[in-house]
Amino acid sequence: EVQLQESGPGLVKPSQSLSLTCSVTGYSITSNYWGWIRKFPGNKMEWMGYISYSGSTSYNPSLKSRISITRDTSKNQFFLQLNSVTTEDTATYYCARQGVYNNWGQGVMVTVSS
Amino acid sequence: DVVLTQTPPTLSATIGQSVSISCRSSQSLLHSNGNTYLHWLLQRPGQSPQLLIYLVSRLESGVPNRFSGSGSGTDFTLKISGVEAEDLGVYYCVQGTHAPYTFGAGTKLELK
Repeated sequence: EVQLQESGPGLVKPSQSLSLTCSVTGYSITSNYWGWIRKFPGNKMEWMGYISYSGSTSYNPSLKSRISITRDTSKNQFFLQLNSVTTEDTATYYCARQGVYNNWGQGVMVTVSS
Repeated sequence: DVVLTQTPPTLSATIGQSVSISCRSSQSLLHSNGNTYLHWLLQRPGQSPQLLIYLVSRLESGVPNRFSGSGSGTDFTLKISGVEAEDLGVYYCVQGTHAPYTFGAGTKLELK
């Protein structure tokens, strides 16, 4: 069974960087595509980007140069870094198996506040 | 970016009632490889989203067959044939044909 688990701080100060980890069990991240999606207060969902089985990445242009997704294949983990956060980045962040979104983590709520 | 317009935003149903949710895309979701990457998710209260239907009409393993998907091009529909209490939550359509991938705004299914 594929399981994903996000981890990281729940509170980040404005202008700082948000860093999250997604730990995957039951499936190698050297196969398939692995993404980050966030849900804002209310119902709006936003695809942020993914890292592929080969390590290539694709990002939502709305995040411009603020986003980076990397991985550690030895630990079967992938990571999200979002720089220069503002209060508008307050959301619940999910990692998921990209493609048909058939596996999701439980989500981590991140609040950007001073 | 592709805009997915979901209607209605809120749906009130009784147990056993059949309901439909529409998802209309601002451009065709038919990929050059012949697939249409339109999927349906359900997020129950306090839970992560779960996949119900992928590639327009394919039922995800373990999902009850009261859920069905249909459509093509720009118009898609999710149907629930006989709502059950466990179906309550927010339904999303999501497209994976055109980057950046986008979600509909969600349809909240409530009990009447």
